[in-house]
Amino acid sequence: EDKVVQSPLSLVVHEGDTVTLNCSYEVTNFRSLLWYKQEKKAPTFLFMLTSSGIEKKSGRLSSILDKKELFSILNITATQTGDSAIYLCAVKGLYGNKLVFGAGTILRVKS
Amino acid sequence: GAVVSQHPSWVICKSGTSVKIECRSLDFQATTMFWYRQFPKQSLMLMATSNEGSKATYEQGVEKDKFLINHASLTLSTLTVTSAHPEDSSFYICSAREASGRADTQYFGPGTRLTVL
Repeated sequence: EDKVVQSPLSLVVHEGDTVTLNCSYEVTNFRSLLWYKQEKKAPTFLFMLTSSGIEKKSGRLSSILDKKELFSILNITATQTGDSAIYLCAVKGLYGNKLVFGAGTILRVKS
Repeated sequence: GAVVSQHPSWVICKSGTSVKIECRSLDFQATTMFWYRQFPKQSLMLMATSNEGSKATYEQGVEKDKFLINHASLTLSTLTVTSAHPEDSSFYICSAREASGRADTQYFGPGTRLTVL
């Protein structure tokens, strides 16, 4: 059964700190890994990763995938209170359309 | 682009009644829509995959007679919670995969919070 494990489960930091969120996975015939940010409502898409070693970057957020070690990290630099959210990692196999989500990391950024 | 809407955004109902939730892709055609459920402080759990014009595929442990899914058009899927009970209270989120887009990208609706009294 496909599985996604995220760590830490929750994290509290101060504004300006850098955080690293982890996502490890086991999936049959890996196709892609996706990161989402969820605030009060539905998740919003951040990144999709399919190849090892290629960093995806958007502003202060970046992510990278290691397909050999089966994990991904999401980095947020110079955190702001607006970064407070649940960060979800999901993986997709080659067959079927469904995403398997991890439990999420709750990030709280204190001012 | 790629906007998904849900209606209603929240609903309160009495135990034993049925509730219908709509999921619409506003500016694209979605051959596949997904229905998730999320309990407080937990992750999204896929309930079912809905393909336009065919029967939905339910995940293990999800009662198909209780959670009726209809995907009659390329822009609309509905989830009906039949004979709702308090334990069905949850946040229900749909997502849609664009027919012409990459299979991996799903666009999420804003969710529907269901409270069953």
